[in-house]
Amino acid sequence: AQTVTQSQPEMSVQEAETVTLSCTYDTSENNYYLFWYKQPPSRQMILVIRQEAYKQQNATENRFSVNFQKAAKSFSLKISDSQLGDTAMYFCAFMKHEGGGADGLTFGKGTHLIIQP
Amino acid sequence: NAGVTQTPKFQVLKTGQSMTLQCAQDMNHNSMYWYRQDPGMGLRLIYYSASEGTTDKGEVPNGYNVSRLNKREFSLRLESAAPSQTSVYFCASSLSGPYNEQFFGPGTRLTVL
Repeated sequence: AQTVTQSQPEMSVQEAETVTLSCTYDTSENNYYLFWYKQPPSRQMILVIRQEAYKQQNATENRFSVNFQKAAKSFSLKISDSQLGDTAMYFCAFMKHEGGGADGLTFGKGTHLIIQP
Repeated sequence: NAGVTQTPKFQVLKTGQSMTLQCAQDMNHNSMYWYRQDPGMGLRLIYYSASEGTTDKGEVPNGYNVSRLNKREFSLRLESAAPSQTSVYFCASSLSGPYNEQFFGPGTRLTVL
């Protein structure tokens, strides 16, 4: 079984600052996928970014980027030029390749990110 | 294009009552999922359906049943609700395969008294 750990229950930064959210995971799988999902107060789950474990290059999506360290089993999310709309819960999630997605996503407990004006 | 829709949005039940949560998607996705989210926790998988007519148990299936009625619809049934099933329930769908984005519905907040 896989586990995902997010060690920061809550973080608060000023608007326009850069913030990094931490995520570590434990798995015996060699081929898998990692995701960051955002959940604003509306409760809607929104995909932020994803990474394939066999790709060494870190994924980027506009202001969002990841630092994927496979050997360390670490998958942190960096948000640059943070905006008020980034205030949300952020969940790190894991899915193994084997089974084609049948096990669904394994989520961490989340980090509540607050962007202060 | 509505994406993933769930009904109802809120529900209060008494212990022992039954109910069905409905989920539908209009994105022609093969895979559909039911998750629950408890306070201070991430989402946990209840059931999964790879295609019409197939369902598999997830991490926390006890107390639930599911039906994949057709490609669009995937329902979750609580036969005899318990206070431990108080949670927010999310339905999701995706194209087949583990890398594909899961699209989530807006969730159902269920309280069991």
